[in-house]
Amino acid sequence: DIVMTQTPSSQAVSAGEKVTMSCKSSQSLLYSENKKNYLAWYQQKPGQSPKLLISWASTRESGVPDRFIGSGSGTDFTLTISSVQAEDLAVYYCEQYYDTPWTFGGGTKLELK
Amino acid sequence: EVQLVESGGGLVQPGRSMKLSCAASGFTFSNYGMAWVRQAPTKGLEWVATISYDGSSTYYRDSVKGRFTISRDNAKSTLYLQMNSLRSEDTATYYCTRDLNVYYGLLGYWGQGVMVTVSS
Repeated sequence: DIVMTQTPSSQAVSAGEKVTMSCKSSQSLLYSENKKNYLAWYQQKPGQSPKLLISWASTRESGVPDRFIGSGSGTDFTLTISSVQAEDLAVYYCEQYYDTPWTFGGGTKLELK
Repeated sequence: EVQLVESGGGLVQPGRSMKLSCAASGFTFSNYGMAWVRQAPTKGLEWVATISYDGSSTYYRDSVKGRFTISRDNAKSTLYLQMNSLRSEDTATYYCTRDLNVYYGLLGYWGQGVMVTVSS
């Protein structure tokens, strides 16, 4: 199984701050035939279902604010929030869909400082 | 608007069975792969099972293989998860999800979830 490791597990932030969180996979998620990274980011707010934010490591889904930026390739990926807003307080999960079983990282929880 | 509404959860004793349903609307159900993802209380997300758009292919995580069966009725736009021989470690909120497009595992839409508690 591909192991997904997210760091940090939690982070205290202030509104307006720039935030970065890391996701590392135990094997490359870059498929050579199409040059795509099979990595997604999800946001789960308290009491809600997860929501897909970013696919293919860096493609923002429709309606996702442009302050959310996904980057990285191969085994190392980053989710950056350029200027955190109060509504961004949530747990963020990365997920690989390169191979079954699809696996998620343990999550990064953003909390208010 | 895509809607996924799960039902069928509750309290069940270890070793017993339970069947979850997910009623889909707002899209052509028969065009998309579907999956179940679960989340144990205060824990992270765990993929459980996936079914292809036409039901011809199914995939399971090892811990549920032989106990859980994912199925679908495209005429009713409904996804199912039959869970047998339930264990305490199956206790979780179960989410019905729809693949974003043709790629399995890219979970574009999620239901609100249904709680399953396995306890005597």
